[in-house]
Amino acid sequence: QKEVEQNSGPLSVPEGAIASLNCTYSDRGSQSFFWYRQYSGKSPELIMSIYSNGDKEDGRFTAQLNKASQYVSLLIRDSQPSDSATYLCAVTGRYSSASKIIFGSGTRLSIRP
Amino acid sequence: EAGVTQFPSHSVIEKGQTVTLRCDPISGHDNLYWYRRVMGKEIKFLLHFVKESKQDESGMPNNRFLAERTGGTYSTLKVQPAELEDSGVYFCASSQVSLATGEPGNTIYFGEGSWLTVV
Repeated sequence: QKEVEQNSGPLSVPEGAIASLNCTYSDRGSQSFFWYRQYSGKSPELIMSIYSNGDKEDGRFTAQLNKASQYVSLLIRDSQPSDSATYLCAVTGRYSSASKIIFGSGTRLSIRP
Repeated sequence: EAGVTQFPSHSVIEKGQTVTLRCDPISGHDNLYWYRRVMGKEIKFLLHFVKESKQDESGMPNNRFLAERTGGTYSTLKVQPAELEDSGVYFCASSQVSLATGEPGNTIYFGEGSWLTVV
């Protein structure tokens, strides 16, 4: 079982709609949760971080965390073509593994005009 | 403010040769991380420096990989001898505070990566 699992996609969403990206993780002791956006050939760029159960909103982005279900999601409202990218879910572990981020393989998102 | 910079951006070497990748973290960041992504796989942690000390090197694949951070500033990652399976993109990242603190708002910043192709 992978430590962080994501659907690889591609996920195709019409412009202006809501894009929903999902992620599950295996380490119940995970402390911090991140969503990175990566354009082709570029470095990962942090767009959201979340540390406690519930929702966190930042502009058009909402991250949702459910530690009991070991589930993290990212909602993108009013999707724009510029949102087309690979979205990486990432978590940090507890104690000895807390110094490293564990990434999922990413979900490719395509926003069609 | 300059971000994390990496050099070279692209490198093509033959199997058995040596390659050295360099990373300059954001000024003032004591924590420096190396990650890599090989073809078709997820980004994987290699190691973490705090200043010049290796805090966690559990992700280093084998002894052909040597990372150093003399003086606690820039870091190098040497692959010697390179093998075909080492091809991929090597990312460096830095943070002001260690991720291990779990503090909200703590984050790391990635460089653009060094793309390595071993032929």
